[in-house]
Amino acid sequence: AAGVIQSPRHLIKEKRETATLKCYPIPRHDTVYWYQQGPGQDPQFLISFYEKMQSDKGSIPDRFSAQQFSDYHSELNMSSLELGDSALYFCASSLEGGMNTEAFFGQGTRLTVV
Amino acid sequence: AQSVTQLGSHVSVSEGALVLLRCNYSSSVPPYLFWYVQYPNQGLQLLLKYTTGATLVKGINGFEAEFKKSETSFHLTKPSAHMSDAAEYFCAVTGSGTYKYIFGTGTRLKVLA
Repeated sequence: AAGVIQSPRHLIKEKRETATLKCYPIPRHDTVYWYQQGPGQDPQFLISFYEKMQSDKGSIPDRFSAQQFSDYHSELNMSSLELGDSALYFCASSLEGGMNTEAFFGQGTRLTVV
Repeated sequence: AQSVTQLGSHVSVSEGALVLLRCNYSSSVPPYLFWYVQYPNQGLQLLLKYTTGATLVKGINGFEAEFKKSETSFHLTKPSAHMSDAAEYFCAVTGSGTYKYIFGTGTRLKVLA
């Protein structure tokens, strides 16, 4: 079965650079979520989109932005990267905003800022 | 608002022993509850979920959990631990009208030979 695809799997950037993370949800899923997981931490909710509109917002820095496109894939754009942005970034998708169902997670993008 | 509390950041059990990982939740709407497992450098894999209906839910790999509304709990159990169960386990909550899953801080399960 198709799963959530994230690219790239690994990314190394220097401080103050920008990064773009991509997420391709499971076909027919209309809701996408972004999470940030620091070393030894639980996943922290960043932002979600339902039917291409922002549906909820968590602890996402102003330096980050995201959107969901017409084909339902999503991109997380990160600017002015800081060392503290080094983390595993997960994308998840679900149907109808998680009503009565679970979120399926991708394998994550490991971002290292040096 | 919703939140999840997982008691015990580290749990060690002997192989073959009972596994009990605790999760308590807080939710202003009827909760949907989940347990996910994460292996090192991997994504989150769903073990089981409670949305509506039967309060005792069975998941993959012999795990099960019981939703107890009166105790606001959703503890994860497995009768007999296997070495392959060693991983990080996260309890999560969402609910109708919300568009995010809130995770607990995780419990790292260690299985001793």
